[in-house]
Amino acid sequence: SQTIHQWPATLVQPVGSPLSLECTVEGTSNPNLYWYRQAAGRGLQLLFYSVGIGQISSEVPQNLSASRPQDRQFILSSKKLLLSDSGFYLCAWSVGQGNSPLHFGNGTRLTVT
Amino acid sequence: ILNVEQSPQSLHVQEGDSTNFTCSFPSSNFYALHWYRWETAKSPEALFVMTLNGDEKKKGRISATLNTKEGYSYLYIKGSQPEDSATYLCAFMLDSSYKLIFGSGTRLLVRP
Repeated sequence: SQTIHQWPATLVQPVGSPLSLECTVEGTSNPNLYWYRQAAGRGLQLLFYSVGIGQISSEVPQNLSASRPQDRQFILSSKKLLLSDSGFYLCAWSVGQGNSPLHFGNGTRLTVT
Repeated sequence: ILNVEQSPQSLHVQEGDSTNFTCSFPSSNFYALHWYRWETAKSPEALFVMTLNGDEKKKGRISATLNTKEGYSYLYIKGSQPEDSATYLCAFMLDSSYKLIFGSGTRLLVRP
C-alpha cells in the first residue's frame, strides 16, 4: 500500500534561518507531488507541484523553493525564513490527473520567531 | 487568479440536522472538483472526486452534486452526527493542469 512520510512534525526556527522540509512517498511510481501551506485562519494555499523528477511548478512568488531529486521525494526549502513563513505545511501525492484524489502527509507546524 | 469560494465559512448544527455547503468555482475550462474532510489533528481525507457535469456522488450520509456550467458544487450531510464535525474543503482543477486550488473551507460543528 502507498504511504507518505513528512517530517519534521513541528519546527521552531528564528527569522533568517534556513529551512528544509522533506516528504517521501512509498508504494507508487511517478506520483504527482504537492506542497500546500495553511497560514493562521486561512485555507490551503498551493505552493509548488511536480509531475516528474526535476519538474517544479511554483504558484506563489516567495522566498521558498522546492526540489524533487528523486521520483518519490519532494523537498521544500528556504535560505532565509521570514515571520510570514509560519504556518502548517502539508505534502500530498496523487497519480494520474485530476480524477484522482490527493493523499496528504501529517503536516509540519512551522513557527518562525 | 483562480478563485474557489466556499460558503458558509462556519456552521453550527444540532445532531440529527441535515446540512449543505456550497463550493463556487470558475465555470470555464473545468477539469475536476474534489471534496475533502479535514478533522482536527488529522490530515485532509478525500471524500469525492467529480469530473462530469451533473455528477452525483454518495458515501453513507454524505453526498455531493456538481454543476460545471454554472460553476458550483453542493455537499450534503444527512442526519449530522458529532463525528461529522470537521472542516470541509473543495478544490478545483483547471483543464488538465495538475494544479488543484482549494477553497477556504466550511467549518462544521455538530452539537450532541
